[in-house]
Amino acid sequence: DVKVTQSSRYLVKRTGEKVFLECVQDMDHENMFWYRQDPGLGLRLIYFSYDVKMKEKGDIPEGYSVSREKKERFSLILESASTNQTSMYLCASIPASPVTGELFFGEGSRLTVL
Amino acid sequence: GQNIDQPTEMTATEGAIVQINCTYQTSGFNGLFWYQQHAGEAPTFLSYNVLDGLEEKGRFSSFLSRSKGYSYLLLKELQMKDSASYLCAVSMFENNRLAFGKGNQVVVIP
Repeated sequence: DVKVTQSSRYLVKRTGEKVFLECVQDMDHENMFWYRQDPGLGLRLIYFSYDVKMKEKGDIPEGYSVSREKKERFSLILESASTNQTSMYLCASIPASPVTGELFFGEGSRLTVL
Repeated sequence: GQNIDQPTEMTATEGAIVQINCTYQTSGFNGLFWYQQHAGEAPTFLSYNVLDGLEEKGRFSSFLSRSKGYSYLLLKELQMKDSASYLCAVSMFENNRLAFGKGNQVVVIP
């Protein structure tokens, strides 16, 4: 079974803190994604990566950066957290491009910024 | 770019049939997905349609019309555990991404 693991289910941070959200997949997938999910807005793509050290901006990249140093790990970084980044963050992976098969999701990380 | 539209909420009775619609406008269409998401959990895959027509999987069926930019998910013999949000998502050739609609909340009542 494919497993996508997100490092923290729940985090509480203060405004201005640097936040790292880690995601690891164990099936050698090429593509990895970070989404955020907010009530009434659905899932919105922040960044995605289709190879090690490669990254592409999604629909809402402002205030975020990412790192993909190893194939299995895709990190989302909030350089200076703000209250409007309080959200549920979902990582996902898929074997290859284009997306023609199931996207495997992690369990999500619920971030609260005070 | 893409535009994906879904109704926001519907209520149905246990044992009934419910149809959830999704319309989309996108370039480089490469298939449409349906996901189910229970509150507080990650989405789980239900179906993938790339050709026109109906795909049936047990109590769930998904239909696609590419010429109309339209899909629906049909849930039959509704059970209480089917209370969830149902997400429509479109895959696009041009940028290797999956774009999601806002989801449709289905509430099943006894």
